Amino acid sequence: DAMVIQNPRYQVTQFGKPVTLSCSQTLNHNVMYWYQQKSSQAPKLLFHYYDKDFNNEADTPDNFQSRRPNTSFCFLDIRSPGLGDAAMYLCATSREVRQETQYFGPGTRLLVL
Amino acid sequence: EDKVVQSPLSLVVHEGDTVTLNCSYEVTNFRSLLWYKQEKKAPTFLFMLTSSGIEKKSGRLSSILDKKELFSILNITATQTGDSAVYLCAVITNAGGTSYGKLTFGQGTILTVHP
Repeated sequence: DAMVIQNPRYQVTQFGKPVTLSCSQTLNHNVMYWYQQKSSQAPKLLFHYYDKDFNNEADTPDNFQSRRPNTSFCFLDIRSPGLGDAAMYLCATSREVRQETQYFGPGTRLLVL
Repeated sequence: EDKVVQSPLSLVVHEGDTVTLNCSYEVTNFRSLLWYKQEKKAPTFLFMLTSSGIEKKSGRLSSILDKKELFSILNITATQTGDSAVYLCAVITNAGGTSYGKLTFGQGTILTVHP
């Protein structure tokens, strides 16, 4: 089945230790998004790629970076995780510029010790 | 700043009840409104609404959009315990001329259905 896959589902890291979360999709969608969702809050967009064109939200901390080496994969790098970065990280995709429905992966829950 | 507000924040009902969840928005360059259901994992897409007054239905769930009054409702009839979840409303806007649609979420409504 075509889908959005995130690995790992749970990630534990230490304060200040870089961590990378991954997302892949078999939907062949052009647009990929990363969201951060903290407990009892709505998902918050961090950035998105339209093909290889990267777009950062104005309030996304510099600590967060992203890479999209090809259509299928997108990575979220957290350079120096703080305790406040513990959250669920959601990857989503949408097909085209005008295809607006976003399909979400299962998420990676990040715990920072 | 774009704003999406959902009400109520939480709702507790018994199986068989009908519920109505509300979503109002104040945004610039509205394109569409989406409803998602979120259990203990990622949001699952329910509906996308673009035009006013056209009801979308899927089983016991239905939704409608009013672009004049800037709100949408999600109805669930004959609720079941499996409907217990957070229901998220999100609005897509044109984000400053970029090619993608920016998704702004409401804070969600926590629905709990008791047997």
